[in-house]
Amino acid sequence: DVKVTQSSRYLVKRTGEKVFLECVQDMDHENMFWYRQDPGLGLRLIYFSYDVKMKEKGDIPEGYSVSREKKERFSLILESASTNQTSMYLCASSFRGRWGELFFGEGSRLTVL
Amino acid sequence: KNEVEQSPQNLTAQEGEFITINCSYSVGISALHWLQQHPGGGIVSLFMLSSGKKKHGRLIATINIQEKHSSLHITASHPRDSAVYICAVRLNTGNQFYFGTGTSLTVIP
Repeated sequence: DVKVTQSSRYLVKRTGEKVFLECVQDMDHENMFWYRQDPGLGLRLIYFSYDVKMKEKGDIPEGYSVSREKKERFSLILESASTNQTSMYLCASSFRGRWGELFFGEGSRLTVL
Repeated sequence: KNEVEQSPQNLTAQEGEFITINCSYSVGISALHWLQQHPGGGIVSLFMLSSGKKKHGRLIATINIQEKHSSLHITASHPRDSAVYICAVRLNTGNQFYFGTGTSLTVIP
């Protein structure tokens, strides 16, 4: 079974703290994605990566950065967390080809106080 | 403007009813995905399709490429089908996906 594993299911942080969300996949997928999910807005792409050390901004990259030093691991970083970053964060991965299925992690629910 | 529109947003059904969720999109795609998310849970892929129809158990997904429309049907619905169903499309120009805002389904015993 394909597994996409996110490091934390629930986090509570204070405004201004640095936050790391880690994602690991075990299927040798080229593509990895970080999404944010908010009620009524659906999933919005923060960043995606199509190869090691490669990254592209998604629709809402402000306030976030990412790191992909190894193919299997894609990290999302909030340099200085703010209350409007309270959300559910979902990592996903897929093969690069057109027919690549999308696999999701369980999600990380972040609360910023 | 949302590239992927789903309807209805919310749906309540009695156990045993036939359910249809609709998805329309406005971009060129290589494939359309139907995803399921249970409360508090991650998202799992139900179907990936680029033409015609697929069936898995009580779930059926259809797509009409010319009309840019897809439907997800659930036959003989059951309370365990209660979840959010999300339509997603993969652009034919690259690696990105666009998502609908989801349909929240509640099946009452």
